Amino acid sequence: SQKIEQNSEALNIQEGKTATLTCNYTNYSPAYLQWYRQDPGRGPVFLLLIRENEKEKRKERLKVTFDTTLKQSLFHITASQPADSATYLCALVFTGGGNKLTFGTGTQLKVEL
Amino acid sequence: DGGITQSPKYLFRKEGQNVTLSCEQNLNHDAMYWYRQDPGQGLRLIYYSQIVNDFQKGDIAEGYSVSREKKESFPLTVTSAQKNPTAFYLCASSIGQMNTEAFFGQGTRLTVV
Repeated sequence: SQKIEQNSEALNIQEGKTATLTCNYTNYSPAYLQWYRQDPGRGPVFLLLIRENEKEKRKERLKVTFDTTLKQSLFHITASQPADSATYLCALVFTGGGNKLTFGTGTQLKVEL
Repeated sequence: DGGITQSPKYLFRKEGQNVTLSCEQNLNHDAMYWYRQDPGQGLRLIYYSQIVNDFQKGDIAEGYSVSREKKESFPLTVTSAQKNPTAFYLCASSIGQMNTEAFFGQGTRLTVV
């Protein structure tokens, strides 16, 4: 079965720095990879989607890269702010898996003043 | 106001009782999903449905049941067969195409005592 790994340790960074989160997957190749933000006690909120044939996607201060050779996606938040503090989840739709959306374990980000 | 609604937000049940969690959406989405989230963990897929009157098991379907009689509704029943039902349950919906985002409800926190 597919396995999606995110760094389970929380990431603490200073305000203004770039936060980089990692999502690694094994086995089958995903058709699409998505990133979500989740605040405590709330449902995840969609941020970005990247296709298997795309290398990079940007949206405002967010950037996602997708390396199908390394089976890895990196999620960057530039000029980070305390309001960016949350848990970030990657989710994959695998080829041949229908529309089944499989999530990673999430990484907690804390941006300090 | 379009969206996806889960109710109730908090639910308490005695061990051995079945309980049904509600999920309603007015986004005209074909696909709906149920996930379970345990403290400090990612989302695990319980069941999903891509069309009315059809649904598939996810990764942890044992002890759960669903129905999809209407496009707008996808209730989840947690049965007494579920060994460890206390968790945060999240419902989501999407257009149903692989390249589209999922919209989540605010979640139901179920506590079984």
